[in-house]
Amino acid sequence: DSGVTQTPKHLITATGQRVTLRCSPRSGDLSVYWYQQSLDQGLQFLIQYYNGEERAKGNILERFSAQQFPDLHSELNLSSLELGDSALYFCASSTRAGGPLEQYFGPGTRLTVT
Amino acid sequence: LAKTTQPISMDSYEGQEVNITCSHNNIATNDYITWYQQFPSQGPRFIIQGYKTKVTNEVASLFIPADRKSSTLSLPRVSLSDTAVYYCLVGDGTGNTPLVFGKGTRLSVIA
Repeated sequence: DSGVTQTPKHLITATGQRVTLRCSPRSGDLSVYWYQQSLDQGLQFLIQYYNGEERAKGNILERFSAQQFPDLHSELNLSSLELGDSALYFCASSTRAGGPLEQYFGPGTRLTVT
Repeated sequence: LAKTTQPISMDSYEGQEVNITCSHNNIATNDYITWYQQFPSQGPRFIIQGYKTKVTNEVASLFIPADRKSSTLSLPRVSLSDTAVYYCLVGDGTGNTPLVFGKGTRLSVIA
């Protein structure tokens, strides 16, 4: 158990809909990252928040947005969903005191768009 | 983050030692080498990290030659439960840098 929690575990929705994925980082971790893993694209970084502020952006679509709240949990919002958005979405957290490239991943949310 | 190259897949029998080599010719002076393990439908798990020479923990060993242009992850006496994808990452980030994953090495352990 990494200490990072994600809800829901599974999500099935239709094209055009909007969903929200939730992540709670490890206690004390200020950084939260979102990654998408699909069969054809592998693991890809989407966006990072540090202590409530956006820190880095990766291959995140304009239809996707995220935020980190004062209690440090984060939400990833996916809207106007398309079939190609079906993937595993992972949240990870890290601490400044941690070693380089050391992150702790949650169990993921499997999103299926039908 | 420096580009890395590792084998796409490897097979091993249970009980054998498995060595997965990663090439990182453009590694920078401040870069560390980090390995992650990912089981199907689970998040990647940090397993080991090193800067030079050899690092060992309860899960694996990491060998890094003097020129640091490659590294070898060594898994002693693998079992079926070690079947997973192993990713090699190189970079100098603090604990707050996004990770860039390649395709990794898919290790299959056979009974």
